[in-house]
Amino acid sequence: QVQLVQSGAEVKKPGASVKVSCKASGYIFTSYYIHWVRQAPGQGLEWMGMINPSGGSTDYAQKFQGRVTMTRDKSTSTLYMDLSSLRSEDTAVYYCARDQLLSFDLWGQGTLVTVSS
Amino acid sequence: EIVLTQSPGTLSLSPGERATLSCRASQSVSSSYLAWYQQKPGQAPRLVIYGASSRATGIPDRFSGSGSGTDFTLTISRLEPEDFAVYYCQQYGSSPQYTFGQGTKLEIK
Repeated sequence: QVQLVQSGAEVKKPGASVKVSCKASGYIFTSYYIHWVRQAPGQGLEWMGMINPSGGSTDYAQKFQGRVTMTRDKSTSTLYMDLSSLRSEDTAVYYCARDQLLSFDLWGQGTLVTVSS
Repeated sequence: EIVLTQSPGTLSLSPGERATLSCRASQSVSSSYLAWYQQKPGQAPRLVIYGASSRATGIPDRFSGSGSGTDFTLTISRLEPEDFAVYYCQQYGSSPQYTFGQGTKLEIK
């Protein structure tokens, strides 16, 4: 069925990097942009950026410029979000979400990233 | 950056009642670019309304969206037990930039 399945929870130390994956299935991979959205514990939703799976072009929220990299592997229909120089404030659930008419119609189940020394 | 402010922060109602949730933008937003999401504890958000007034696939018709410019509303005509959740509005702006409101918690009274 149509779904986005994300990788499992991660625990990282401050200063490290984390790479979260998001595998798409059930639809044409290259036809929909994918966004990454995060949610800190007990907080709201924060948009991080987006990738065009077809050509690989990206747009990042200014807050994350220089620290985030979004990539894709067309051979496996998988998207990746790499966040570097982690700090405690990056502790959050990270979601991938499919773009439909500038809203997000399909979401992954979320990946908890915990940053702790 | 466009800021979305949702009100009230918490709304306490009983099943069967009508819920009205507000989302106000700091600048005018194209109606095509305003969406609403429902999120239950431990779950990913779920798209409810897109384009300010179009229901997403599988969303019952007790949900409706309206508004334009800077003021948008999500209405649930008769609350069912499964409707109690947190609701977020979201807009798309140029750059590109996507922003969310801080959320309204709809709780059972």
